[in-house]
Amino acid sequence: EAQVTQNPRYLITVTGKKLTVTCSQNMNHEYMSWYRQDPGLGLRQIYYSMNVEVTDKGDVPEGYKVSRKEKRNFPLILESPSPNQTSLYFCASSLSWAAGGTQHFGDGTRLSIL
Amino acid sequence: AQKVTQAQTEISVVEKEDVTLDCVYETRDTTYYLFWYKQPPSGELVFLIRRNSFDEQNEISGRYSWNFQKSTSSFNFTITASQVVDSAVYFCALSVRDYKLSFGAGTTVTVRA
Repeated sequence: EAQVTQNPRYLITVTGKKLTVTCSQNMNHEYMSWYRQDPGLGLRQIYYSMNVEVTDKGDVPEGYKVSRKEKRNFPLILESPSPNQTSLYFCASSLSWAAGGTQHFGDGTRLSIL
Repeated sequence: AQKVTQAQTEISVVEKEDVTLDCVYETRDTTYYLFWYKQPPSGELVFLIRRNSFDEQNEISGRYSWNFQKSTSSFNFTITASQVVDSAVYFCALSVRDYKLSFGAGTTVTVRA
């Protein structure tokens, strides 16, 4: 089954404790991206990756890091989480934009930073 | 820069009523894609439709229909004969060549039995 898998689905942690949210896709998609969803703001892009070892900032990259060492994985790293990073996070993947660019989303990760 | 505006924050209807969700977008690109996604209470994002900028044909899929008008930069979504299962947050989104998907703030639809 084609899917984007995020882990964990839920996490409560404390300020300053490094955490990683994993994202994996099994569709051989080139493009992957991370979004955060906050009430009244819709989804905002954090980082995206066009292919292995190619990443770039989205609209709200501060406080986040990403890496793309393999095509299927695109982890989101919060080196020193703060309460303003409490949010619902989505990973997405898609084929090339020229092929239509429809992004397939994971089920989301709800992070609470205390 | 790209921007998507969903002016309706919340819409509440009684079952079997029709409901139209407005979406207005801004971009200087002539080539782009427009999307609608549904987010039910369970939280996942469900893809509903993609439309490219060169295809202004309206589309119908069951009780869902979409009206794309480049002249007014709008891509509106209508649910006909709404059902309780249609209760969700609906997002309109725009994608241009930089791959970024710009979302509107979303419209919460509540369908009452």
